[in-house]
Amino acid sequence: ELKVEQNPLFLSMQEGKNYTIYCNYSTTSDRLYWYRQDPGKSLESLFVLLSNGAVKQEGRLMASLDTKARLSTLHITAAVHDLSATYFCAVDSREANNLFFGTGTRLTVIP
Amino acid sequence: DAGVTQSPTHLIKTRGQQVTLRCSPKSGHDTVSWYQQALGQGPQFIFQYYEEEERQRGNFPDRFSGHQFPNYSSELNVNALLLGDSALYLCASSFLLEQFFGPGTRLTVL
Repeated sequence: ELKVEQNPLFLSMQEGKNYTIYCNYSTTSDRLYWYRQDPGKSLESLFVLLSNGAVKQEGRLMASLDTKARLSTLHITAAVHDLSATYFCAVDSREANNLFFGTGTRLTVIP
Repeated sequence: DAGVTQSPTHLIKTRGQQVTLRCSPKSGHDTVSWYQQALGQGPQFIFQYYEEEERQRGNFPDRFSGHQFPNYSSELNVNALLLGDSALYLCASSFLLEQFFGPGTRLTVL
């Protein structure tokens, strides 16, 4: 079974600082997704990365994918309080369209 | 476009009971997937429906069953509820690739 690991699990950072969340997965996959989840809410799609070397940016968030290393990163630039949430990465296997999720990274941005 | 909708929002049941959760996919989407998210964990894939058939299934017991209707809406049924079934149940719809998630149904089993 495809396994997805994220680190760190918990991240507390000050406003204005930069940080990176890492997502490793165990088998070959060309499709990597990042989601945001606020407490008690559903999953909001942030990025879909479809090929090796893909990089996408939206506001203060930038995601990248290295399929050879089986690694994706979510970089946060100049964090603001509104970014406080849990962030999940997910991959789907080449054979199926069901998603395997990481453990999540709970981000808290401190004023 | 209403997006993916789910009902009910919250549900409280007791052990041994049965529950049915409902999902209406985003307009134009023909595939529905169900996920279980326990507190503090990532979502776990339950099963996926396409053309009214179960196409993929995760590591969940037969107590979990589903159905897809001709209009692509779907139901998730759970029999003989256990305390461990308490979770947020998420429905996601897709057409070809990206999955869009509904607001979820919070199930509490007492």
